[in-house]
Amino acid sequence: AQSVTQLDSQVPVFEEAPVELRCNYSSSVSVYLFWYVQYPNQGLQLLLKYLSGSTLVKGINGFEAEFNKSQTSFHLRKPSVHISDTAEYFCAVLGDNTNAGKSTFGDGTTLTVKP
Amino acid sequence: KAGVTQTPRYLIKTRGQQVTLSCSPISGHRSVSWYQQTPGQGLQFLFEYFSETQRNKGNFPGRFSGRQFSNSRSEMNVSTLELGDSALYLCASSKTGATEAFFGQGTRLTVV
Repeated sequence: AQSVTQLDSQVPVFEEAPVELRCNYSSSVSVYLFWYVQYPNQGLQLLLKYLSGSTLVKGINGFEAEFNKSQTSFHLRKPSVHISDTAEYFCAVLGDNTNAGKSTFGDGTTLTVKP
Repeated sequence: KAGVTQTPRYLIKTRGQQVTLSCSPISGHRSVSWYQQTPGQGLQFLFEYFSETQRNKGNFPGRFSGRQFSNSRSEMNVSTLELGDSALYLCASSKTGATEAFFGQGTRLTVV
């Protein structure tokens, strides 16, 4: 079984400040990890992914995340946020082939960027 | 390259009715997954299809069903609708189900 815990349900931050959204996961097998962003009344947009290789992955819109296997974490960071980054962010894990196509999502973190 | 297309975007149905939602995956993607998103339960996996076969199923009652066609397009059906079925239904496609998934805009279903 696999699970995802997003440690903060809401993160308020001022424009141009750095931000970190925290994600821990649990799985008995090797996993792939993802961050998605969702704007109101929209689907999920893939921000970045970790499949293998370098533990620091870069995504769209200036976001990056670091995979830490020993701490089972995959925190999302951005050095300077914009008003337009206000949205809900989801961390997701995809396990082995027995769970193909079945991503497990965290409960989401609402990022609010204030001017 | 066209993204994942879900139709319709919005639906209003009455309790007891049935509904069919459609999803057209990205060209070349053979895996289609369905999720239900509600404020209380978050994103919950419904089922996944690959090459017209259901490979995985979430913990939903039998009123929720789906299928996939030979062109990888997928439909999900909900029979005997209940108020609690009101949700955003999201479809996601991926090449094999073992890589990143791309989501459609969703279908907002309201049951009254």
